[in-house]
Amino acid sequence: EAGVAQSPRYKIIEKRQSVAFWCNPISGHATLYWYQQILGQGPKLLIQFQNNGVVDDSQLPKDRFSAERLKGVDSTLKIQPAKLEDSAVYLCASSLAGWADLYGYTFGSGTRLTVV
Amino acid sequence: KQEVTQIPAALSVPEGENLVLNCSFTDSAIYNLQWFRQDPGKGLTSLLLIQSSQREQTSGRLNASLDKSSGRSTLYIAASQPGDSATYLCAVSPPTGGYQKVTFGTGTKLQVIP
Repeated sequence: EAGVAQSPRYKIIEKRQSVAFWCNPISGHATLYWYQQILGQGPKLLIQFQNNGVVDDSQLPKDRFSAERLKGVDSTLKIQPAKLEDSAVYLCASSLAGWADLYGYTFGSGTRLTVV
Repeated sequence: KQEVTQIPAALSVPEGENLVLNCSFTDSAIYNLQWFRQDPGKGLTSLLLIQSSQREQTSGRLNASLDKSSGRSTLYIAASQPGDSATYLCAVSPPTGGYQKVTFGTGTKLQVIP
């Protein structure tokens, strides 16, 4: 089966610019997650979707970050405007279960964002 | 709030050694636990998943154990190889029901020296 697809792989932007990341989960996976991973740290959940509804966005900086999951499939994560501290790897993951179950939890390759 | 700790943060061993990576969690009410591997600049790759009712899982040279009551899991790597060099993370999932998060540790960076 195809894995979780993410694009772009790398992005360099100046602070105050905007950027968008795209994720296509594994077909049939109900739950989609966006994580932020700062160098040397574990992944931090930004937002969790179940189908096209938001389950948890408590750690999403809503003044600058937004995310949507159209038709319960693809998802985009946007940052506007970017700050230097947003430099990180942004990981998308999906799972078959309708809750935070690690069974079948699959990650994409991530997008490395550098804000200069 | 669940907290997951991995010690040591970094480990360097000569090729061929057997080694153990540790993962501790503060809340024993978990649904399952998973060990992941992360290569530099890449996403996470699933290694072993242990359900809360299980004690261990094995895949090739890897063996993961779970002691839920003490809040501990270990990943044993036998006969380490340079290709095992990566960061290893553990993650725990909450009990079913409700909307709690999967919690990740900060990882152990392993270097296997040829």
